[in-house]
Amino acid sequence: NAGVTQTPKFQVLKTGQSMTLQCAQDMNHNSMYWYRQDPGMGLRLIYYSASEGTTDKGEVPNGYNVSRLNKREFSLRLESAAPSQTSVYFCASRSQAGLLGDQYFGPGTRLLVL
Amino acid sequence: DQQVKQNSPSLSVQEGRISILNCDYTNSMFDYFLWYKKYPAEGPTFLISISSIKDKNEDGRFTVFLNKSAKHLSLHIVPSQPGDSAVYFCAATRTDSWGKLQFGAGTQVVVTP
Repeated sequence: NAGVTQTPKFQVLKTGQSMTLQCAQDMNHNSMYWYRQDPGMGLRLIYYSASEGTTDKGEVPNGYNVSRLNKREFSLRLESAAPSQTSVYFCASRSQAGLLGDQYFGPGTRLLVL
Repeated sequence: DQQVKQNSPSLSVQEGRISILNCDYTNSMFDYFLWYKKYPAEGPTFLISISSIKDKNEDGRFTVFLNKSAKHLSLHIVPSQPGDSAVYFCAATRTDSWGKLQFGAGTQVVVTP
């Protein structure tokens, strides 16, 4: 039972390049989330998926797209990376039957955009 | 505009003593509050939570206090242990918001022997 896994762990991009961050969970959770963490700012919600087949914008969605591929997988895409997107990205999942606090986080993807 | 604020970026405490972490929020619609703990190179892990209908919740060495009128919550760790050295994030949400969390900036706790 791996929990929430994220790939890659680390990535360097040049400005304008695109990439997809992958996230998968094996806990049969309904809801999934993408956050970014920047120094001194805590975690900010980019997009979330309340259930399979739905996605919605969070606090900072500009420059990103998401796909809820199936119940297990929720990917985050940067179409044209910018230096302002240098950050650590965390994926999380939650069973709606569980406590609100039971968001399980992955280990993060550290992204550097040059 | 940051709706959840942790004004102390760091805290140093001796092993065995009490650690007190503070958090303030501005949105009166928040009705559920959480604390997460984060070690370097790992994702945050849930620590403890409190509903707005309570003013205290306790789980072992961890107690969270909520003062709704002051829009303030605090986390007490007693006694502090070296393994508690981590970054602690305060988070807030509305129970009708599909689990969307607003996080504070975090407080780095260092427990010294």
